[in-house]
Amino acid sequence: DTEVTQTPKHLVMGMTNKKSLKCEQHMGHRAMYWYKQKAKKPPELMFVYSYEKLSINESVPSRFSPECPNSSLLNLHLHALQPEDSALYLCASSQGGRVNTEAFFGQGTRLTVV
Amino acid sequence: AQSVTQPDIHITVSEGASLELRCNYSYGATPYLFWYVQSPGQGLQLLLKYFSGDTLVQGIKGFEAEFKRSQSSFNLRKPSVHWSDAAEYFCAVGPMEYGNKLVFGAGTILRVKS
Repeated sequence: DTEVTQTPKHLVMGMTNKKSLKCEQHMGHRAMYWYKQKAKKPPELMFVYSYEKLSINESVPSRFSPECPNSSLLNLHLHALQPEDSALYLCASSQGGRVNTEAFFGQGTRLTVV
Repeated sequence: AQSVTQPDIHITVSEGASLELRCNYSYGATPYLFWYVQSPGQGLQLLLKYFSGDTLVQGIKGFEAEFKRSQSSFNLRKPSVHWSDAAEYFCAVGPMEYGNKLVFGAGTILRVKS
């Protein structure tokens, strides 16, 4: 099983809402990632969790709050977002540790902030 | 700092024709290189990767890429393009050990004409 599963696939939320994006993998990977991809742009890294600890935070606004409850799950909590936060949010995972391997991506959550 | 350049924003080829997508990288150490493909609104699928060894690597869907250290290039090729290959292609660089980060190029949109 080389799948990263993201839910929901689509999300529309108001600027005062609180919502969460979920990501799950069962490959035994110990590194998980959140990327943001605007239209016609490459993915940009937001956060990296390595062994359930936040290891990279690319200066993302505090209205995005990541959480890694265990090695298989990664959440992204959203609060008070702006319309410019509308994008495709991609989750990925890789083996982690000293092993250099590829990253596997989920299908993404298409977020629209109204 | 590491960076990736994909000089072609769009490429159009006829079905059955050969394809080459260009990628140049800047990286201070041994590069770990990847090609991903993305269909509209979807996640990223790994086509192939280069870590070390043979500089010509084979991937899925009939794609191959050649690593040329002297030219800092990792170009993607396919001898005969199919209509289903129409998508956006991203070259990326970076070690993934210890949950490190990928740096993506801007992407090349491939159009296939029948």
